[in-house]
Amino acid sequence: DAGVTQSPTHLIKTRGQQVTLRCSPKSGHDTVSWYQQALGQGPQFIFQYYEEEERQRGNFPDRFSGHQFPNYSSELNVNALLLGDSALYLCASSLVRAVEAFFGQGTRLTVV
Amino acid sequence: GDSVTQMEGPVTLSEEAFLTINCTYTATGYPSLFWYVQYPGEGLQLLLKATKADDKGSNKGFEATYRKETTSFHLEKGSVQVSDSAVYFCALNQAGTALIFGKGTTLSVSS
Repeated sequence: DAGVTQSPTHLIKTRGQQVTLRCSPKSGHDTVSWYQQALGQGPQFIFQYYEEEERQRGNFPDRFSGHQFPNYSSELNVNALLLGDSALYLCASSLVRAVEAFFGQGTRLTVV
Repeated sequence: GDSVTQMEGPVTLSEEAFLTINCTYTATGYPSLFWYVQYPGEGLQLLLKATKADDKGSNKGFEATYRKETTSFHLEKGSVQVSDSAVYFCALNQAGTALIFGKGTTLSVSS
């Protein structure tokens, strides 16, 4: 059983560009959440998707947007990249209202 | 809003030493509490959890007890190994909503 998979693993972008990160949830899971982890910090919640709708959102600007597909996979899009967007982006999957969430290995985004 | 505070590191121990990493929380209602571990260059792995007061979560020799009276969920291990070197995060959530994490504690174990 494959766990949560994220792609790509590493990415380098230039300021002002746009980026799309992808996540496939653990088999059987219907809910996907995205987190940003800056170096030396704990993960910060970006948003959560369930039934292709944004269910909950953290304190992130509109430059951060997402999508969930009918097969429950998800994308995170970030527009107009800033240097401060450099971080590890983590995807977590779960069943809706379940206690546990399972994390992928993350995508390391570097903005130069 | 809800929050998690955990002891700052780094924590440096010799192999077979006793480990405690303190975690306290502020939350309305009855959150679930978690410890996650992050090895270098990897994502987060769930180490243990507790969903109600006085529950004890345990896994791989690590333990933590949900103490509602002191709003704490301290992580303990009786004898650490070099392979336990990692960053440990305390976290909470309410009924499947977003996880709220502490800032993490780096543990370094030497042989």
